Order: sequence, then C-alpha cells, then structure tokens
Amino acid sequence: KAGVTQTPRYLIKTRGQQVTLSCSPISGHRSVSWYQQTPGQGLQFLFEYFSETQRNKGNFPGRFSGRQFSNSRSEMNVSTLELGDSALYLCASSLATTPAEKLFFGSGTQLSVL
Amino acid sequence: QKEVEQNSGPLSVPEGAIASLNCTYSDRGSQSFFWYRQYSGKSPELIMSIYSNGDKEDGRFTAQLNKASQYVSLLIRDSQPSDSATYLCAVENSGYALNFGKGTSLLVTP
Repeated sequence: KAGVTQTPRYLIKTRGQQVTLSCSPISGHRSVSWYQQTPGQGLQFLFEYFSETQRNKGNFPGRFSGRQFSNSRSEMNVSTLELGDSALYLCASSLATTPAEKLFFGSGTQLSVL
Repeated sequence: QKEVEQNSGPLSVPEGAIASLNCTYSDRGSQSFFWYRQYSGKSPELIMSIYSNGDKEDGRFTAQLNKASQYVSLLIRDSQPSDSATYLCAVENSGYALNFGKGTSLLVTP
C-alpha cells in the first residue's frame, strides 16, 4: 500500500511569490492534515480536511489556504511568501473517523523563501 | 494558548539503559495523547498512543499518563542506538488537530 505522497520535495521561491504544495493520502484515507515544521517552533497545525470540508484550522494568517478534492487529494497554497514561511511542510492522512486516529505523515515539502 | 512542553535535550543514555522522556500539557480537556518518533531528515511516525490514566506497554515502550498532573511520559527499555531520534509529544487539540511539543532529542551511546 503506497504511503502519503507529497510533491514537490523541494521548492525555492522568492518573497512575494505564491506556492502550491500537493498531497496524495493513503488509499482509503479521507482526512488530510497539514503541518508546518521549523527548528524554532516545531510542528504547528495548519488545517485539516475531511471529505472536501475544512474541519479545523490553526493559527496561521489567511495567506495560508488549502483545499481537498473529491479523490481526497489535497493542496495547500501560500500567497505573498515571506522569509519566515521557509519551513518543512508535512501532510498527514488518516481514516479520521474519530479525532484520535493515527496520523501517517508524508516525507514533506521543504520550502525555502529567498 | 494551549501548550505542550518538552525538554529539548539532548538526553544521552547508554545502550541497554532506560530512557525516560517527559511532557506536560496545559489543556485540561485533552483526551488523547501520542508519542511520535522522528529520525533526522525523516517524517514523524507514531509509536504510542494513550487515552486513559495509567501505563500502556508496547514492546520496549511504555507510555504513562496522569491527567490530574497533566503529564505524559514515555519510557524506552533496553535502549538501542537505533532509538536515537527526536521524540515528539502530541496532544489532541479541539478535534482532528494535534498540538505538538518541540521534541526531545535522544542519543543512545554504544
């Protein structure tokens, strides 16, 4: 069974640009969550989608957005990039029939903003 | 602000010893608690979950939960060099979201 797939693996952008990251969950998983990981702040929750609906959102500015498609694949978008957006962006999928379901993480997208 | 606190380490233990990792959390309403392991350059993977007070054992790992003290711990018995990683404590936050600590770096020396 294939794991969580994130593309691209690495991205380099400049300030002010926008970026779209993609995540394909494990087959059968309907929940996709996004987390930002930085050395200073650790792992921080961005948002969670289930059946194309956002069920929860973390404390990030509106420049961070996401969506989920009918096949459970998800994208997140960051507009007007800032230097502080440089981070590893991790996607996780789960069955999410309850809030305590196990998360399976992808390998992440390493975003560098210059 | 709901907080999850962990000592950053590094925690260094000799091979074969017991490693003890600790975590405190601020939200008294939290019901689900997790320990994830993250090797350098890799993504986190779940190693233990615990939902009720007391101990839960899985192989060499034991998770301990004390909701009254808002404290979660992970014990690793017979530590191996392959256990060297960062251990992340995570607490369920408002449903379908996890609040992670910044992690404790564990180094097991041969």
